[in-house]
Amino acid sequence: GNSVTQMEGPVTLSEEAFLTINCTYTATGYPSLFWYVQYPGEGLQLLLKATKADDKGSNKGFEATYRKETTSFHLEKGSVQVSDSAVYFCALSTDGGFKTIFGAGTRLFVKA
Amino acid sequence: DAGVTQSPTHLIKTRGQQVTLRCSPISGHKSVSWYQQVLGQGPQFIFQYYEKEERGRGNFPDRFSARQFPNYSSELNVNALLLGDSALYLCASSPGLGKETQYFGPGTRLLVL
Repeated sequence: GNSVTQMEGPVTLSEEAFLTINCTYTATGYPSLFWYVQYPGEGLQLLLKATKADDKGSNKGFEATYRKETTSFHLEKGSVQVSDSAVYFCALSTDGGFKTIFGAGTRLFVKA
Repeated sequence: DAGVTQSPTHLIKTRGQQVTLRCSPISGHKSVSWYQQVLGQGPQFIFQYYEKEERGRGNFPDRFSARQFPNYSSELNVNALLLGDSALYLCASSPGLGKETQYFGPGTRLLVL
């Protein structure tokens, strides 16, 4: 079945450090891939998405590239800020599917 | 434009009680999905409704039920509450079905004592 695996957290970084959160997926067909962010006490916000192989999604300095050959969608940011502290979820959805499948989430702490 | 709204924001119930959670989708969106997020985990799919019909169901017991109204709003009902039902319940809407982006509401936090 379809699934998403992302690196376990928590990830602790200093402000202005480089961020990578790994995400790999298993899916039939050609899924759309997403990164969602959840700030403390809030619901999920869409951070970025990519709908086909080699697409790059980007938003607020975050980027992720849809790599079909490695079935990966790693999240990166060149310089994190304290305000980026949150839980990040990698997710996928498929044609003919009716749900979004989420990874377990990776908690990021950024220290000033 | 208003996003997805959910009510109530918080709820405390005791075991065996029943609860109804409500969701209003983004204007123009015809699909509503419900997810359960237990603390420290990713959201788990419960239901999807599209044009007032159930289009998908996750691996949840029959105590969980839902419906969608003509205005595309939705209710999630949980009967005979268990302690393990304590979670954040998220509603998401999308224009249609398939690979579309889902837009999430702030959630209803349910605590079962």
